[in-house]
Amino acid sequence: EADIYQTPRYLVIGTGKKITLECSQTMGHDKMYWYQQDPGMELHLIHYSYGVNSTEKGDLSSESTVSRIRTEHFPLTLESARPSHTSQYLCASSDRTSGAPSSYNEQFFGPGTRLTVL
Amino acid sequence: KNQVEQSPQSLIILEGKNCTLQCNYTVSPFSNLRWYKQDTGRGPVSLTIMTFSENTKSNGRYTATLDADTKQSSLHITASQLSDSASYICVVSDRGSTLGRLYFGRGTQLTVWP
Repeated sequence: EADIYQTPRYLVIGTGKKITLECSQTMGHDKMYWYQQDPGMELHLIHYSYGVNSTEKGDLSSESTVSRIRTEHFPLTLESARPSHTSQYLCASSDRTSGAPSSYNEQFFGPGTRLTVL
Repeated sequence: KNQVEQSPQSLIILEGKNCTLQCNYTVSPFSNLRWYKQDTGRGPVSLTIMTFSENTKSNGRYTATLDADTKQSSLHITASQLSDSASYICVVSDRGSTLGRLYFGRGTQLTVWP
């Protein structure tokens, strides 16, 4: 099982609050990702990072921001939460799979944070 | 437009029965195709991964096939168990970027009844 952790697992907060979703991995992976997933829908990439001090926006526009100060840590912050931010947020990391073709680049996912904004 | 379509959207089978899930994709240039299992409230876990040159890959009771010519893949589950109840997601990666862009299907929700 992959060593990638997310906290909190569940969060219920009121509108306007600032929140930070934590993601940490102990595999030394350079690349990390944040996805947003609504029930019955596909995962959408909202942020990614190639390594320390590297952050990029993904395909789905998001009001959240991320930082990558340490290799193992990739937190996501919402400055002012709104009901439209209610969703599941999944963190993932990847590196070239040892001994496998270079195209593998398998992503390992954390357990997710279920966010509800009232 | 790069897309991944899965069918059926949901499936109910009895414990011990076999089932096959389908995935069609239009992602190009193709790099690899993965099947993930996602339990409710959890993150996806990889089951199989196949590149262009591989047409079948097994992982225990899970067997994935890939036809790169028709851009179709299937996931066959043998002798289903209650713990197989989950969403099964087909994910296709392209070769067009160093990121290894992933395209996700919406998943097939499988329910196994006793």
